Amino acid sequence: GDSVTQMEGPVTLSEEAFLTINCTYTATGYPSLFWYVQYPGEGLQLLLKATKADDKGSNKGFEATYRKETTSFHLEKGSVQVSDSAVYFCALNEGGSYIPTFGRGTSLIVHP
Amino acid sequence: GAGVSQSPRYKVTKRGQDVALRCDPISGHVSLYWYRQALGQGPEFLTYFNYEAQQDKSGLPNDRFSAERPEGSISTLTIQRTEQRDSAMYRCASSQERWYEQYFGPGTRLTVT
Repeated sequence: GDSVTQMEGPVTLSEEAFLTINCTYTATGYPSLFWYVQYPGEGLQLLLKATKADDKGSNKGFEATYRKETTSFHLEKGSVQVSDSAVYFCALNEGGSYIPTFGRGTSLIVHP
Repeated sequence: GAGVSQSPRYKVTKRGQDVALRCDPISGHVSLYWYRQALGQGPEFLTYFNYEAQQDKSGLPNDRFSAERPEGSISTLTIQRTEQRDSAMYRCASSQERWYEQYFGPGTRLTVT
């Protein structure tokens, strides 16, 4: 079945550092890929998405590129802020399905 | 309010009791989803409604779990004869046309003692 693997957290960075959170996936077809973010005390919210190979999703300074050859969708940001501290979830869904498969989440802690 | 709300936020119950968890989606959102999230894991799909119709309940773990959305708005997830393994965060989400733009509620933390 489909699965998503994320790097273990927590990821701890200083403000303005470069961020990478790794995500790889297993799927039978050509899924759409997503990153969701969960701020403390809140529900998950969609951060960005990519629906086909080589697409780049971007939002709020975060980017992720759909890499079919490496089955990856790594999340990056050039300069993190304290307000980016949250848990980040990588997810996928197969075409035609409305049920996402989520990774286990990666906690990001940014220190001033 | 503008977002998805869930109640109660925390529920402690004794094994064998029934519990009802409520979700109030964003006004006008036709789709509503229930998820269960164990500590340190991502959300796991339970069931999905389109308006009042339960379109998919394949993620419900067993027949002790049921859900309804009788008027196409508020939904209730009911767990009968709770067991300790039911302890988890239960999250609700709603969406409009684009299913992936789901807005999640803050969740109900259920603890079965």
